[in-house]
This record gives sequence, structure tokens and C-alpha cells, in this order.
Amino acid sequence: AQSVTQPDIHITVSEGASLELRCNYSYGATPYLFWYVQSPGQGLQLLLKYFSGDTLVQGIKGFEAEFKRSQSSFNLRKPSVHWSDAAEYFCAVGGGFGAGTTVTVRA
Amino acid sequence: KAGVTQTPRYLIKTRGQQVTLSCSPISGHRSVSWYQQTPGQGLQFLFEYFSETQRNKGNFPGRFSGRQFSNSRSEMNVSTLELGDSALYLCASSHLTRTSRLGTDTQYFGPGTRLTVL
Repeated sequence: AQSVTQPDIHITVSEGASLELRCNYSYGATPYLFWYVQSPGQGLQLLLKYFSGDTLVQGIKGFEAEFKRSQSSFNLRKPSVHWSDAAEYFCAVGGGFGAGTTVTVRA
Repeated sequence: KAGVTQTPRYLIKTRGQQVTLSCSPISGHRSVSWYQQTPGQGLQFLFEYFSETQRNKGNFPGRFSGRQFSNSRSEMNVSTLELGDSALYLCASSHLTRTSRLGTDTQYFGPGTRLTVL
């Protein structure tokens, strides 16, 4: 059975600092990996996805993620956070979603 | 292309009533999925429809049902509403084919319908 774990429920980061959100998965086959972002009162929007190829994936809004098969991880990163990055972030593997990580950005 | 639209955006119902939510997918998308989102349970998969057939179903009671029309528009219905049904209901469409599984391509989400049960 597949499962997705986002270990961090809530992360607070200062504006301009770097951000890393963790995602671990359990999946029997080649995983289809996604990161989505949800702003308050909105639906989810795709940030980036990985199906195959280069394990470092670039997405929108300056985000990137790295697929590490040996660690069953697909962590999301951003070098310098903006106040507008405050949102909830979901990792998805196959058809399943993680519990989400809420990011708060302090000035 | 227009995005996924959901109507209504907000609903207030009382216990025991029933409700129907509507979703219009992106043009050309034949797969439509529904999710329930609550603070305590996160995103929970309800069901997926493809070309008018329910293809996948989550672990929800029979009070939750759905359907899809020939133009790919979808509705979900909740009967005999309970307080615990208060949630944001999200619809997502995807450009899947008949042989491709849910989760193997990007899902495009609507803004959701906020249901409050009093």
C-alpha cells in the first residue's frame, strides 16, 4: 500500500531565509511525485512534479525538489522565502496526499 | 482554458438535509475527482469518475455519492447531513486516459465548496 508522510505539521521561517519541506513515501512501483500549494480559501495548485529523468526538479515560484530513491524522499526547497509563500504545502505520491505542512513567514 | 469551477462556493445546511455540489472540469479532461478537506483529517479522497463511470472510491459511507455527465461535469451528493460533514469539498480534474491511473498526471483543483452543517 502506498503512503505519504510529511513529518512537519507547521514550519515558521523568516522572510529571506531558506525553506525545506520534507516528504517521505512508501510506494511499490515507480512513484509519480507532486508538490501542491494551497493558499487560504483556495484550491491546490501544482508547484512541480517528478515522473522520471533528472532527479532535481524545478517548479514555479522559485521552488525545487529533489527525488532521492534510496531515501524514499521528495523534499521541497526554496532558497529565499517571500511573505507570499505563506500557505499549506502538500506532497502527493500516486493518488495519495500527505497531511500537509503549514508555512508561516515572519517579517 | 478556463480552470475548474465549483458551485456553490459556500453552503449552510442543517443536520438531516441533503446537499448537491457541482464541478465543471477543464475542457477536455475526462477524469474528475472529489476530496473532502478538514483541519483534523486533511485531504481525503472521496471518488473519481472517468467518462461517466466511477473508477475509484475512497472510504466514505454510502451517504456520499456522485455522478458524472457526458460533458464530464460532475456532481456529488451528501444525504442525511451530519455535523462532521462540515468541510471544504474540492474537485479536481485531470487529463488522464482510460488506461492511466489517478495520480499519474497533474490534478487541477477548483476553489472548493465550503459546506457548513448546523
